[in-house]
Amino acid sequence: NAGVTQTPKFQVLKTGQSMTLQCAQDMNHEYMSWYRQDPGMGLRLIHYSVGAGITDQGEVPNGYNVSRSTTEDFPLRLLSAAPSQTSVYFCASSYQSQGMRTDTQYFGPGTRLTVL
Amino acid sequence: GNSVTQMEGPVTLSEEAFLTINCTYTATGYPSLFWYVQYPGEGLQLLLKATKADDKGSNKGFEATYRKETTSFHLEKGSVQVSDSAVYFCALSGLNAGGTSYGKLTFGQGTILTVHP
Repeated sequence: NAGVTQTPKFQVLKTGQSMTLQCAQDMNHEYMSWYRQDPGMGLRLIHYSVGAGITDQGEVPNGYNVSRSTTEDFPLRLLSAAPSQTSVYFCASSYQSQGMRTDTQYFGPGTRLTVL
Repeated sequence: GNSVTQMEGPVTLSEEAFLTINCTYTATGYPSLFWYVQYPGEGLQLLLKATKADDKGSNKGFEATYRKETTSFHLEKGSVQVSDSAVYFCALSGLNAGGTSYGKLTFGQGTILTVHP
């Protein structure tokens, strides 16, 4: 059971380049999310998914696309990278049991992205 | 909307000192509250959580009590160790009208804790 995995661990892009950050989980969780972490700002939600084929925007979605074709995978796409997207990106997954008031999120190890 | 405010850091303590990290929140509805910890170079791990008023979450000697009247969830530890040096995040998970959180968390800005021997 690998939990939540993210690739790559580090990436350097030039302004205007595109790339996909990969995220996979093997816990059969229905919910998956992407966050970015910036100094002094905590983590902010980019996009989230409540199941295969269903995604929605979070707090800071501009410049990012997502799709969820399977329960396991939730890739994050940067269509045209900008220096403002330099950050550490975390993927998370969770589920909410029937009758439970909340879920527990499991985070991946993160991808450190630098856009020059 | 939802928001979380943590005390400004960084916090520097000597080993065995008492730790308090303040956290207050604003939320619509009745959120669940969490403390996450991030050790250097790693992702976030859940430290403790509380899902209703007056609940006390505890783990590894850390405690936090859900205070609805003061909208607070302060983190405390009676005697810190060097190994507790990390970044601590307070977070909340709001529920929609159907009682679902959808895995969406709102985080505070994080507090860097450094413990010296």
